This record gives sequence, structure tokens and C-alpha cells, in this order.
Amino acid sequence: GESVGLHLPTLSVQEGDNSIINCAYSNSASDYFIWYKQESGKGPQFIIDIRSNMDKRQGQRVTVLLNKTVKHLSLQIAATQPGDSAVYFCAETLRGAGSYQLTFGKGTKLSVIP
Amino acid sequence: DGGITQSPKYLFRKEGQNVTLSCEQNLNHDAMYWYRQDPGQGLRLIYYSQIVNDFQKGDIAEGYSVSREKKESFPLTVTSAQKNPTAFYLCASSRGLADEQFFGPGTRLTVL
Repeated sequence: GESVGLHLPTLSVQEGDNSIINCAYSNSASDYFIWYKQESGKGPQFIIDIRSNMDKRQGQRVTVLLNKTVKHLSLQIAATQPGDSAVYFCAETLRGAGSYQLTFGKGTKLSVIP
Repeated sequence: DGGITQSPKYLFRKEGQNVTLSCEQNLNHDAMYWYRQDPGQGLRLIYYSQIVNDFQKGDIAEGYSVSREKKESFPLTVTSAQKNPTAFYLCASSRGLADEQFFGPGTRLTVL
């Protein structure tokens, strides 16, 4: 079935460097995408979202890029800090009449090296 | 403080017992959700509710039940029919379906 997946299960970056976390989605009908951050033992925390009518959206130190042609989503974190260490999930919504589902990928673990 | 709370944080139960996990939100959100998370896995949807007195099955509803008698509350019961109930359970809410979801801190259920 349709699914959301991630290219890299783990990512280690030096403090101060930029991080890029990638995600592939397979359902071309998906029109809303979200990135979540989950620290160990806690619930996911919303980072940033993007709708399919946009290619790029920026937040504080984070940027999400959407390439609908290749069904690819990425999260860029600028000047990565130790507090950014967590598992990052992308998620997509599969919209349809009378139904709703937010499908999550398995997650990428980001480790920041001090 | 506005937010979503889950209790308890840790829960231990014997095999064959039903157990109910609490989820409360004071965000005035219409939609609420229950997810299950296993180690190294993504979130899988158990049940969701768009509005009071209404709920729908998610991908893995077997062995679970829910109720939505109040807007603020969406308790999840893990029944003895659930074959592998040990997991981390996350509750979420959103203003409406397909809106940004806010998650609670989770309940870690261990069945002995």
C-alpha cells in the first residue's frame, strides 16, 4: 500500500553544521506534510508543515522542501545544536471523502556531536 | 496551560486484563487520535475521533476500544484480545481532521 519512508535511518552531524533529513512518499494524492521531532520517552513535537501547493517553507532554523515531481520531502536544520538530537518523523495526509489518515515514516535518528 | 495530557506515564498489567489509558485535552480541539509506537517504528493509528460521540477505526484497531463522550476526553481501552499490547501509546488532538496534531507525552504499557 501507500507508505511514507525515509532514506537514512541514522544521521550524525557536528555541532554547528547543517543537517538534512530526507523522506520519500509514494502517494501523489497527498497534499499535506508534517515534520515531527521526538525526544526519547516523549511524544512527537510539531516542527513544520507544508502543503502541496508550496515548494518550500521556512521556520526558525528549519526549512522544509517539497519536490512533488519525485515525491520527496526534506527537512533542513541550520546550525545544528545538541538539543536537536532526536528522532525526526515525516508524515503525510491521505485525504479522501469520509476518511482521514496521517501516515508516519519510521523516523531518522539525528545525533549531534559536540 | 493549554495542552494534552496522558496518564499514567508507565503502566504495568498482567496478561489477560483490560486496561484503560487516559487522554485529556483543553485545547478545544474537535479531533482526537490514538497511536501505537513500537521500538524503532513509526506511529500506527489505532482509532480517531472527529467529533464527540463519533470515532473511526484506524489501521490497527483490533483488540482496542475507545469512547468519546466528552470533547476533552478520549480514553483507550486495551483489551485482552490485543495479542501484543506492550508498546508506547500516544494520544493526539487537532482542531479538525488533517490539521496539525498535538501529541501528549505518551503512556508506556507493559504487559507481564
